[in-house]
Amino acid sequence: NAGVTQTPKFQVLKTGQSMTLQCAQDMNHEYMSWYRQDPGMGLRLIHYSVGAGITDQGEVPNGYNVSRSTTEDFPLRLLSAAPSQTSVYFCASSYKGASTEAFFGQGTRLTVV
Amino acid sequence: GDSVTQMEGPVTLSEEAFLTINCTYTATGYPSLFWYVQYPGEGLQLLLKATKADDKGSNKGFEATYRKETTSFHLEKGSVQVSDSAVYFCALSPAGGATNKLIFGTGTLLAVQP
Repeated sequence: NAGVTQTPKFQVLKTGQSMTLQCAQDMNHEYMSWYRQDPGMGLRLIHYSVGAGITDQGEVPNGYNVSRSTTEDFPLRLLSAAPSQTSVYFCASSYKGASTEAFFGQGTRLTVV
Repeated sequence: GDSVTQMEGPVTLSEEAFLTINCTYTATGYPSLFWYVQYPGEGLQLLLKATKADDKGSNKGFEATYRKETTSFHLEKGSVQVSDSAVYFCALSPAGGATNKLIFGTGTLLAVQP
């Protein structure tokens, strides 16, 4: 089983460039989310989706856009990259419900120079 | 708002030592509580969870008990192995939510030496 697949694994961007981080899951999960992981801060929620066509903001949404056109895919777009967006990004998916297990991708390490 | 506080790392232990990683939380009602583990170069994976007061989650020799009176969910293992070396995250999902919008602690790096 593929689970949650993120691409790319590594990326270097120049300030002001745009890019899309891809996330796909094959478990038919309704809920998908994006987190960023920074040293000393744990993981913080960027955006999430409870189903196709429905997205909402998390704790740190500024500078990021998302869309959810299918159940399987949940891309994260950086519109104009800034050094403050240097981080490790994780996509996660789960069934609905507050106590369900979240499945994480392997992460994308992004450096903005 | 809801939050999770866990002990600073790194925690360095010898093989077969006893492990405790402290975790306390602030939340209204009865959130669901989780421990996730991140092995080097990988994403997070669920280690164990508890969904109501006095529940004990357990997996792979690790245990944690949901203590409402002390708002704690400490992770314990009686005898650690080198293969347990990883970053451990305590997390909560707010009560009454339709989704598991996880709120994470800062993570604790565990290094087990042979």
